[in-house]
Amino acid sequence: GESVGLHLPTLSVQEGDNSIINCAYSNSASDYFIWYKQESGKGPQFIIDIRSNMDKRQGQRVTVLLNKTVKHLSLQIAATQPGDSAVYFCAENNQGGKLIFGQGTELSVKP
Amino acid sequence: GAGVSQSPRYKVTKRGQDVALRCDPISGHVSLYWYRQALGQGPEFLTYFNYEAQQDKSGLPNDRFSAERPEGSISTLTIQRTEQRDSAMYRCASSLKLKTATFFGQGTRLTVV
Repeated sequence: GESVGLHLPTLSVQEGDNSIINCAYSNSASDYFIWYKQESGKGPQFIIDIRSNMDKRQGQRVTVLLNKTVKHLSLQIAATQPGDSAVYFCAENNQGGKLIFGQGTELSVKP
Repeated sequence: GAGVSQSPRYKVTKRGQDVALRCDPISGHVSLYWYRQALGQGPEFLTYFNYEAQQDKSGLPNDRFSAERPEGSISTLTIQRTEQRDSAMYRCASSLKLKTATFFGQGTRLTVV
């Protein structure tokens, strides 16, 4: 089912390190996934997407991995920068246009 | 336009009044979505359109909420007889078609007093 969390998990990393943000999705029928970055006071910003016929997709400094067996999605950010500090949401789509969002993870980058 | 545009950015209304929130999607985007986001949580689906057709309105909380997109471009989300519990950030998003990159606007912060 869908879960909504009130206490965001937090990931704290040192500037220059790689970050890995994880997401467990709920529906095995989901076939399209998106990662969003949301900074305080702003709307969710599209980062990268992946379809279920892929296991990995790379963008600029980011990589998304999809493991359908265990319904797990991860976002890897290389050489994390202070500007990467934000809340990151994964979203899954299994029917029509409805995206179901995960609870979000707050990434904090220490300079 | 360059991005998804929503207006107004902020709306304060008295309980019982009707409000209309506007969304102007990215030019050429067929699919348009409405979400509501509470503080500290991810967006929650309300409804979506392909062209002018409302395809899914399962997320609308009750019959006080309605949405339209008469010409397949700009959309309006209307809340009738607003209640305090309707206070939230309302977000619009659009995509070229279903299951493609979906971009959000800055949102409309609705406060019902």
